[in-house]
Amino acid sequence: KAGVTQTPRYLIKTRGQQVTLSCSPISGHRSVSWYQQTPGQGLQFLFEYFSETQRNKGNFPGRFSGRQFSNSRSEMNVSTLELGDSALYLCASSKRYARDQETQYFGPGTRLLVL
Amino acid sequence: EDKVVQSPLSLVVHEGDTVTLNCSYEVTNFRSLLWYKQEKKAPTFLFMLTSSGIEKKSGRLSSILDKKELFSILNITATQTGDSAVYLCAVEASGSARQLTFGSGTQLTVLP
Repeated sequence: KAGVTQTPRYLIKTRGQQVTLSCSPISGHRSVSWYQQTPGQGLQFLFEYFSETQRNKGNFPGRFSGRQFSNSRSEMNVSTLELGDSALYLCASSKRYARDQETQYFGPGTRLLVL
Repeated sequence: EDKVVQSPLSLVVHEGDTVTLNCSYEVTNFRSLLWYKQEKKAPTFLFMLTSSGIEKKSGRLSSILDKKELFSILNITATQTGDSAVYLCAVEASGSARQLTFGSGTQLTVLP
């Protein structure tokens, strides 16, 4: 069974540009959560999607957005990139939303560098 | 606001040693506590501890959850160099979306 996949794996952008990252969950998983990992702040929750709807959002500015498609694949977008957006962006998938005690499985991440 | 504190921040041991990693938490409406191991890339799942499962064991790794005192420990016996990694503790609240709150991690280095 294939794991969570993320593309691209590495990305270099300049300030002011925008970027789109993609995540394909494990087959049968319908919930996709996104996290940002930096040396200073650690792993921080960005948002979660289930059934094409954003269910929860972390404490990030509106420049960070996302969406989910009917096949559960998800994308996140960061507009007007800042140097501080340089990070490892991880997505995690799980089977169902909320109530079930089901763990999340992480993808390999996209390493974004903003120059 | 949910909070997770891990200690120590880093630890250096020799192969064969036993280590104990600590995780204390504050969360409204606790659902579960999870341990992940992160090497170069994605965190890989180790254990999930909930109200109905406060002790888990897998090979040389074991973990317990103390819901009264709000902490968990991850124990690794007979450490090997392959155990070198960052160990992350995370909590999830019930009633929320699939949102994990992570601690800063413990960097474990196992020397040969």
